[in-house]
Amino acid sequence: DAEITQSPRHKITETGRQVTLACHQTWNHNNMFWYRQDLGHGLRLIHYSYGVHDTNKGEVSDGYSVSRSNTEDLPLTLESAASSQTSVYFCASSDTVGGTGELFFGEGSRLTVL
Amino acid sequence: QQQVKQSPQSLIVQKGGISIINCAYENTAFDYFPWYQQFPGKGPALLIAIRPDVSEKKEGRFTISFNKSAKQFSLHIMDSQPGDSATYFCAALPGRGFNKFYFGSGTKLNVKP
Repeated sequence: DAEITQSPRHKITETGRQVTLACHQTWNHNNMFWYRQDLGHGLRLIHYSYGVHDTNKGEVSDGYSVSRSNTEDLPLTLESAASSQTSVYFCASSDTVGGTGELFFGEGSRLTVL
Repeated sequence: QQQVKQSPQSLIVQKGGISIINCAYENTAFDYFPWYQQFPGKGPALLIAIRPDVSEKKEGRFTISFNKSAKQFSLHIMDSQPGDSATYFCAALPGRGFNKFYFGSGTKLNVKP
């Protein structure tokens, strides 16, 4: 079965360190997204990609970067982790053409920045 | 500024009762309105969705009511069960193609036995 997997599921890091969260999907979807989930804020879009070599900033992109070198992967990098980036991060993917608009989410990566 | 406003933030309902979650939007370009359900420790998953050409969509115990003129839509869960306890997100999408969703802030539902 097609799926979307995130790793690591849990990570603790220190302020100032670089962190990369991996996202891999086997749906062959063109669109991939990174969200962060915080209490009271719901799901906020960090970065998104509509295809290989395409990346776009979302509403809370400061301090984050992504790259899309193939269809399956969209790693999220925190260049210099800050305590404000402690959150649960979700990767998602969707089809573009003929799709129902459904987003398929991974199970999340919980990041703690000390 | 949040594009989709959701209320309440939390909701407690007795088993068998009706759970109602409301959302409102401003952007008239939105034309797809899904609801996502999230259980603790899991990612959100699509529950039910509606397009603005209909005023209601029902799937089992879950119903979306849509009021295009008021730019509001709501999720009704009939005969609520403890297994429905989860966080619910409404969302809106401005047309097909690129799937850039705008999510509400979420409602944590607790159905008491």
